Amino acid sequence: DTAVSQTPKYLVTQMGNDKSIKCEQNLGHDTMYWYKQDSKKFLKIMFSYNNKELIINETVPNRFSPKSPDKAHLNLHINSLELGDSAVYFCASSLLAGGSQETQYFGPGTRLLVL
Amino acid sequence: GESVGLHLPTLSVQEGDNSIINCAYSNSASDYFIWYKQESGKGPQFIIDIRSNMDKRQGQRVTVLLNKTVKHLSLQIAATQPGDSAVYFCAEIISLGGYNKLIFGAGTRLAVHP
Repeated sequence: DTAVSQTPKYLVTQMGNDKSIKCEQNLGHDTMYWYKQDSKKFLKIMFSYNNKELIINETVPNRFSPKSPDKAHLNLHINSLELGDSAVYFCASSLLAGGSQETQYFGPGTRLLVL
Repeated sequence: GESVGLHLPTLSVQEGDNSIINCAYSNSASDYFIWYKQESGKGPQFIIDIRSNMDKRQGQRVTVLLNKTVKHLSLQIAATQPGDSAVYFCAEIISLGGYNKLIFGAGTRLAVHP
């Protein structure tokens, strides 16, 4: 059974398009995250939702809009895609939002290439 | 600013040797640290963690050492195997008013040669 799953795995699109990435976790966790990993493998948090409520919003362009229809799902919609958006996007989840020993579990990633 | 392990070096080891991967962190207030392993084409996978009130923690073939004085973490892998080849990230948890933020280092690529 896949704990944290993402679709699609690969996404190739043209500049200016709008696209969505979906994430689902079946771990019963309350908190979900989106991370971006650039070409140098640097991983940086973008957003975090706790029980459908946005709790962390890093300095991300407002072209990126996360949506959490329920606590098991966190989708990422990107408007007007730019070349610099090309990266691997990882979804993650943790049982709780706080607490000093909260391990985050990651999905397999979505490889986005903007042409 | 926030910074954990600014470089992405590569560590090459022979199969069977021990590996040591190092990481520097900058936030003195962090009290929890994690090592993740990322294999090619996959997401980061939890390996081992350590609280700031500890200086050493052992798992199966892995040991994490924490030196708070110099803000340094290391991951030791005993008897390194080809399956250990991956990028390894240290990460620290920063608490933000009841919510946690995970700050990742830049990672170290471990290449295991037969």
